[in-house]
Amino acid sequence: DIQMTQSPSSLSASVGDRVTITCRASQGISNYLAWYQQKPGKVPKLLIYAASTLQSGVPSRFSGSGSGTDFTLTISSLQPEDVATYYCQKYNSAPLTFGQGTKVEIK
Amino acid sequence: QVTLKESGPVLVKPTETLTLTCTVSGFSLSNARMGVSWIRQPPGKALEWLAHIFSNDEKSYSTSLKSRLTISKDTSKSQVVLTMTNMDPVDTATYYCARMVISHTYYDFWSGYLSGGWFDPWGQGTLVTVSS
Repeated sequence: DIQMTQSPSSLSASVGDRVTITCRASQGISNYLAWYQQKPGKVPKLLIYAASTLQSGVPSRFSGSGSGTDFTLTISSLQPEDVATYYCQKYNSAPLTFGQGTKVEIK
Repeated sequence: QVTLKESGPVLVKPTETLTLTCTVSGFSLSNARMGVSWIRQPPGKALEWLAHIFSNDEKSYSTSLKSRLTISKDTSKSQVVLTMTNMDPVDTATYYCARMVISHTYYDFWSGYLSGGWFDPWGQGTLVTVSS
């Protein structure tokens, strides 16, 4: 099975900072990658699919890039409401594996 | 508006079988471009995909849990059911169902044509505790 590895596992940044989270697949998955945001105590929410397509209603400060094995989620200007754990998920083929998550906090 | 809601027991004993139901509204389980997945999350841990089912009854399962899982659907009732046998305390988790939006179809040597996609939206989740 293809493994999904996120880094870092956690980060602390200041409001307004640019934040980048990476997700690496153990084998190529083309652009079949989604990103989810899970705020504390809440249900996961889709942010990005097809590696770089922003889901409707998601703020434009979120962006995704990558193809093959290496992907990034970028928050261009971190806001207090972005405190959450972020997960990548591959969907090229089953099993539809998630990364282990990256917890984002405000410094 | 698309919604999904999980239901089932909050407490099961070790070795018992868990049965969870996902009731959907706002879309049909006969929609060829949609499916339903089950995903779980142990307290404080990461998300883990379990299984999915599509309109043509195509099914896929987690490699590590395949022997314990069965997914089925009742289109007329708009329900998807997941059963997990031989429950253990390590299976304590919040169990979510989510709509899968089909992105593409691919060929699997063992299972034939399957689909992949992303999850949106998710149900509220149901916490299942495994304890004697």
